[in-house]
Amino acid sequence: ETGVTQTPRHLVMGMTNKKSLKCEQHLGHNAMYWYKQSAKKPLELMFVYNFKEQTENNSVPSRFSPECPNSSHLFLHLHTLQPEDSALYLCASSQAGGGLSSYNEQFFGPGTRLTVL
Amino acid sequence: DAKTTQPNSMESNEEEPVHLPCNHSTISGTDYIHWYRQLPSQGPEYVIHGLTSNVNNRMASLAIAEDRKSSTLILHRATLRDAAVYYCILRDRPPGGTSYGKLTFGQGTILTVHP
Repeated sequence: ETGVTQTPRHLVMGMTNKKSLKCEQHLGHNAMYWYKQSAKKPLELMFVYNFKEQTENNSVPSRFSPECPNSSHLFLHLHTLQPEDSALYLCASSQAGGGLSSYNEQFFGPGTRLTVL
Repeated sequence: DAKTTQPNSMESNEEEPVHLPCNHSTISGTDYIHWYRQLPSQGPEYVIHGLTSNVNNRMASLAIAEDRKSSTLILHRATLRDAAVYYCILRDRPPGGTSYGKLTFGQGTILTVHP
């Protein structure tokens, strides 16, 4: 248990469906992240929220829409996905701030395995 | 972002030490060296980090070269539970001091531990 939970753990959806991934952290952190891990590729950072404000969007297609209603919850809304979007989607959180000496350790959830048919 | 280079895979026997190397020749003066690992079917987990001096914690040791262009993660006695992908990462700090510590993952080293 890392203190970061993700639901659902597995999701199968068609290309015309709309679904949402949920992440919740119980660590009191103020930064949250979405990563994508495709088969045989490194983890790719998708979005960063720092104090509920989106501070990074790494050229992610608009069919992925993040939402951070508060510092403990992060959503990834999915619509009209493509089969190549099938991947493991990982959420992480960390404590932002702290100056140069802070190492901002990220705590990851177990991920949602997404399959797009 | 400064890049890291790691071997694709390494093997070890149980209860033997493992030395996982990482090259980072373009490291900048304020880059911290982080190690994370990803066990099968799990998200990555933090292992250790350092700046200039060698570091020890309950999981591992981190040996950093004097010129900081390379580092080595040391598992003192590998167990079967240490089989994972190990990532060596240089922490990127965005401008303006909002230090949420973006991590850029590479391919990592797949560690296999034999009984």
